Amino acid sequence: AQKVTQAQTEISVVEKEDVTLDCVYETRDTTYYLFWYKQPPSGELVFLIRRNSFDEQNEISGRYSWNFQKSTSSFNFTITASQVVDSAVYFCALRGFGSGNTGKLIFGQGTTLQVKP
Amino acid sequence: EAQVTQNPRYLITVTGKKLTVTCSQNMNHEYMSWYRQDPGLGLRQIYYSMNVEVTDKGDVPEGYKVSRKEKRNFPLILESPSPNQTSLYFCASRTTGISYNEQFFGPGTRLTVL
Repeated sequence: AQKVTQAQTEISVVEKEDVTLDCVYETRDTTYYLFWYKQPPSGELVFLIRRNSFDEQNEISGRYSWNFQKSTSSFNFTITASQVVDSAVYFCALRGFGSGNTGKLIFGQGTTLQVKP
Repeated sequence: EAQVTQNPRYLITVTGKKLTVTCSQNMNHEYMSWYRQDPGLGLRQIYYSMNVEVTDKGDVPEGYKVSRKEKRNFPLILESPSPNQTSLYFCASRTTGISYNEQFFGPGTRLTVL
């Protein structure tokens, strides 16, 4: 079975602090894709990043960085120097690529990040 | 502009009154799906469609129907809504040509069933 776990339900930080959102996944597929989405208070889902299982390079995009480690089945997301506009719900998601896969995204429960001024 | 649209964005209805939430995409995507979002559960897939006239159940299909008569449209039908279907609904689409493409999500429909 495939599963995504975001153990942190809510995180509260003060502006300019660094914060890491954890994501642990389970899958038996050898090929799979991992995603992060941001859901601001307005409700839409904003795509942040996609990673495939063969690419373990960490990625940095401005204040955002992602650490993908297959050995621990984790795909953690760090925001450096957080800002109030980062306040949102963040979802980690998994899509398998193998026989029996329907193409659906398996989402974690989401982590609500509150950045206080 | 490439997008997925949903209508209505907000809906309050009563138990048992049939309703349809429309979803349309302008990217010629083959794959479309519906998700519902509930607190503490993330998003869960309701139904999906690999192409026109090809639909199948997701993880939580009970109480829902879909149809895919045209490639661009994928309506979600609640024949007899109940309060436990109060939720935030998202339609999504993606191409199947390149397997790693992310899904494009609509803006969401917030449904309340009284």
